[in-house]
Amino acid sequence: RKEVEQDPGPFNVPEGATVAFNCTYSNSASQSFFWYRQDCRKEPKLLMSVYSSGNEDGRFTAQLNRASQYISLLIRDSKLSDSATYLCVVNIKGAGNMLTFGGGTRLMVKP
Amino acid sequence: DADVTQTPRNRITKTGKRIMLECSQTKGHDRMYWYRQDPGLGLRLIYYSFDVKDINKGEISDGYSVSRQAQAKFSLSLESAIPNQTALYFCATSDAAYTDTQYFGPGTRLTVL
Repeated sequence: RKEVEQDPGPFNVPEGATVAFNCTYSNSASQSFFWYRQDCRKEPKLLMSVYSSGNEDGRFTAQLNRASQYISLLIRDSKLSDSATYLCVVNIKGAGNMLTFGGGTRLMVKP
Repeated sequence: DADVTQTPRNRITKTGKRIMLECSQTKGHDRMYWYRQDPGLGLRLIYYSFDVKDINKGEISDGYSVSRQAQAKFSLSLESAIPNQTALYFCATSDAAYTDTQYFGPGTRLTVL
């Protein structure tokens, strides 16, 4: 079983739609959680950190459920420019502070 | 100028050849990493270095070696390339005080024939 699992998609949505991605992680020692964005053939870039209380950054909302070992990303009012792959990332403290990446969920926003 | 640069950006080589991928950073970070990315598998850690004198194996180090020539430079070598090392390779850096956030270079697309 992969340590960080994501639905690879693609999620095809129209502009203006709301879309949600989920991610599950297997290691209960995981302590930090992130969403990275990766455009086609480009490097990953940090989109946002995910806090226990949930956090919002403009149209993006991230939530964490430690009991279910589950992370989500909600994108409201999708834009064409949101088309990308979204990587769920987990930091397992005590493992050299290494980041573990999910395989990514591809989003395609259509006009 | 980009904070993390990688050379070459694209490389096609043949089985058995030795190849070196180079990474340089101007962010002043102590920590540097090498990952490979394959479709559907996410990024997997090959090697990482927390300072010039520190080198550590990652999840998939077999067939690879690294050198940390300076704080700003971290190179990855494939001593004898094989086709299943065809992948997209990323270098990344992080600040020792904020290790959670990693900054990636633009990647090197390597094809081994």
